[in-house]
Amino acid sequence: DAGVIQSPRHEVTEMGQEVTLRCKPISGHDYLFWYRQTMMRGLELLIYFNNNVPIDDSGMPEDRFSAKMPNASFSTLKIQPSEPRDSAVYFCASSLPLEIEQFFGPGTRLTVL
Amino acid sequence: QQPVQSPQAVILREGEDAVINCSSSKALYSVHWYRQKHGEAPVFLMILLKGGEQKGHDKISASFNEKKQQSSLYLTASQLSYSGTYFCGTVGLSGTYKYIFGTGTRLKVLA
Repeated sequence: DAGVIQSPRHEVTEMGQEVTLRCKPISGHDYLFWYRQTMMRGLELLIYFNNNVPIDDSGMPEDRFSAKMPNASFSTLKIQPSEPRDSAVYFCASSLPLEIEQFFGPGTRLTVL
Repeated sequence: QQPVQSPQAVILREGEDAVINCSSSKALYSVHWYRQKHGEAPVFLMILLKGGEQKGHDKISASFNEKKQQSSLYLTASQLSYSGTYFCGTVGLSGTYKYIFGTGTRLKVLA
């Protein structure tokens, strides 16, 4: 298996632009997680899905952030409009039942100018 | 609410031992440990479930004291490959599955 796939790996955009991050989980995994990592705040859980249904989005910082999972093999995290403080590395992870290890993708490094 | 890890950073020589602690202010159901190397994604090490168990593989082991809401990661006879940042991830007893990562511990092993 190729593991969790994220795209793009790097994204540089200007303030106010829309940004879409993409994730393909490991086939057969029921859970998908989106994380954000910064030096100041560490690793934060933004949202997670179970069988394509969002279960907990309490970590989504504000309405500018939205996430979807239209099918078992694809998820997106969208930021609109983007702001410089959104600059971070965004990780997607997937797992089988909750109390099993999470497999992380390589991350997307987002820079908002 | 973020679990606090200690120490924040540690430097070791190859072959030395280290202990990393993770403390939560909330009752815990489980603790997960991950290691992240610079510029890479976190990689799973182990899970400890409520019940005060201890786990380990190779020279890395961990314990979970649910009464104290603490977990400790033990690295014995450290190797250069152990260098990285270690995170605990905790799941609370109440509410939805809320996965919260700790503050992180930077570990560097020198030859």
